[in-house]
Amino acid sequence: AQKVTQTQTSISVVEKTTVTMDCVYETRDSSYFLFWYKQTASGEIVFLIRQDSYKKENATVGHYSLNFQKPKSSIGLIITATQIEDSAVYFCAMREVSSGSWQLIFGSGTQLTVMP
Amino acid sequence: DTTVKQNPRYKLARVGKPVNLICSQTMNHDTMYWYQKKPNQAPKLLLFYYDKILNREADTFEKFQSSRPNNSFCSLYIGSAGLEYSAMYLCASSRGYYAEQFFGPGTRLTVL
Repeated sequence: AQKVTQTQTSISVVEKTTVTMDCVYETRDSSYFLFWYKQTASGEIVFLIRQDSYKKENATVGHYSLNFQKPKSSIGLIITATQIEDSAVYFCAMREVSSGSWQLIFGSGTQLTVMP
Repeated sequence: DTTVKQNPRYKLARVGKPVNLICSQTMNHDTMYWYQKKPNQAPKLLLFYYDKILNREADTFEKFQSSRPNNSFCSLYIGSAGLEYSAMYLCASSRGYYAEQFFGPGTRLTVL
């Protein structure tokens, strides 16, 4: 069954440091898409970065990058040079191609707090 | 501009009354989605339009209706609201069926 698991409930870091958030997924599909979103304090869900399962290169957008380890079904989010405004809940999500499900499967989220 | 707009931001409805929520996007995305989100739960897909074709989840098929009069607008209609409909309703859009989705700010619906 499709499943996305984020085991870190919350993480606190000091600003300007690097943080890694973990995400593992379960799928029988050979083709799938992985996404990271963040939910701000106002409740808005913002798209951050995406990894296509067939791509070997780790995606990078701004100060977000991914650590995609396909054999481990793992897609970690790395934020470098963290800022106070990066404080949010971060969600990992998966979309399968062939399962017949239209759902975007979300993980339970990781609360990131960036301290001065 | 990656803005998805939703109106209203807050909606109060009485049990048994209809509710109509509006979403718009100016990104010329071909796919628009409606999600229901309750506290401490992940967003749940209710339905989506791919171009003019409406796809609804089996367990919400009879509870929610939708229309997409043009590429930019999409509505979510509840014919008779029940207490269990109280939730945040999120609209999203994407270019392509498997692409990243851009979410609106949501409409918080409270049914009394």
